[in-house]
Order: sequence, then C-alpha cells, then structure tokens
Amino acid sequence: AQSVSQHNHHVILSEAASLELGCNYSYGGTVNLFWYVQYPGQHLQLLLKYFSGDPLVKGIKGFEAEFIKSKFSFNLRKPSVQWSDTAEYFCAVNANNAGNMLTFGGGTRLMVKP
Amino acid sequence: EAGVAQSPRYKIIEKRQSVAFWCNPISGHATLYWYQQILGQGPKLLIQFQNNGVVDDSQLPKDRFSAERLKGVDSTLKIQPAKLEDSAVYLCASSLVKGFTGELFFGEGSRLTVL
Repeated sequence: AQSVSQHNHHVILSEAASLELGCNYSYGGTVNLFWYVQYPGQHLQLLLKYFSGDPLVKGIKGFEAEFIKSKFSFNLRKPSVQWSDTAEYFCAVNANNAGNMLTFGGGTRLMVKP
Repeated sequence: EAGVAQSPRYKIIEKRQSVAFWCNPISGHATLYWYQQILGQGPKLLIQFQNNGVVDDSQLPKDRFSAERLKGVDSTLKIQPAKLEDSAVYLCASSLVKGFTGELFFGEGSRLTVL
C-alpha cells in the first residue's frame, strides 16, 4: 500500500519569503500526485496535480510542484508567499491500481506573518 | 454550483453512544467518499461508494462503523458504539466517475468529540 510523508508539520514564514514544502511517497509503481489546501475555516480544495508529462506543474495562486521520480518526491514551492497563503497543505497520492482512492500525508501547517 | 453538504457540523457524545453523519454530494457526482481526519493527521479514507455500491471499505472499522448510500445520492455514516479514539472530523467528498481527475470536492466536515 502507498504512504505519504510530509516532514514539516509547521512552517512559519514572513511575507515575500520563498516556500518549499516536502512530500515523499512510497510506492514503486505509477502514481498520480496532488497537493490540496485547507484555508482557515474552509474545506479542502485541490491546489495542483501531476498525472504525466512535464514534471513541473503549476497550480493556482502561483504555486508549483516538481515531481522527481528518482526521489519519490513531489515538493510544493512558491517564490514569494503572502499572508493569504496561511493554510494547511496536504500532499496526496493515487496509485494507478487504486481506482479513485487518494492517500494523504499528515499535512503541513503554514503560517505567514504579515 | 452547490457544494458537498454535511451535517451536523459539530457533535459531542459520550463513549458508547451512537452518532450518525449525513452527506449530500454535488449533483451528478457518482463517487462518494468518507474520510476520517484525526487532529494533527491527514484524512484517512474510510469508505468509497460508486453510485450505491461499495468500492473500498478496507479501512472501515466494521465492528462499530457502518455507512450506506441507498439511492446512490446522499449517504449516512454511523458509529455505534463510539470510542474516545473516534474523536475526529468526518469528511465527505464526491467526484465524477468518468475519468479520474483526482479532484475530490470536500464538504466542511462533521467534528465529533467523544467524551
């Protein structure tokens, strides 16, 4: 079975700082990868996804993520964070033999100081 | 477009009592999921339905948890009897069945506290 690790549980940044959140998964086969975000008081929503092709994917609000197959990683990045990026971020993986099932990591809580 | 509706938003019960959560997915979404999110952890899939059939319930503690989606639309998740470790947010999500996009639409969740 697949699993997902997010090593940073809490991250505090000042506005305009660069962001990188780590995500590693364990599964030897083909995977689809996702980042979901939960803003305070709101529901989980999709930020970006990778299925195939260019390993650098761009999502909403200036976020991007890079799939590095050799490292089993799918790190999330943003060059310059804003206070409104304060949220909890979840990495998720779908193994190609797992139907529509997503396995989520434990989440990283990001606080951006104004 | 209306989102995924869940109720109740909050529930406090004592251990060994029972509780039920309701979910109404986005119209036209054939796939419905129940996830359990314990504080400080990511969501964990409990059960997945496609229409009114169960696709995956391998992580559902069947001795105390049950779920149904009788008419292929809304769904109910029940816990009986509840244990302290069941304290969590129960998330319902739905998605289109044709062509997996990975985009699950989540409701706001039902927060359960078991005392």
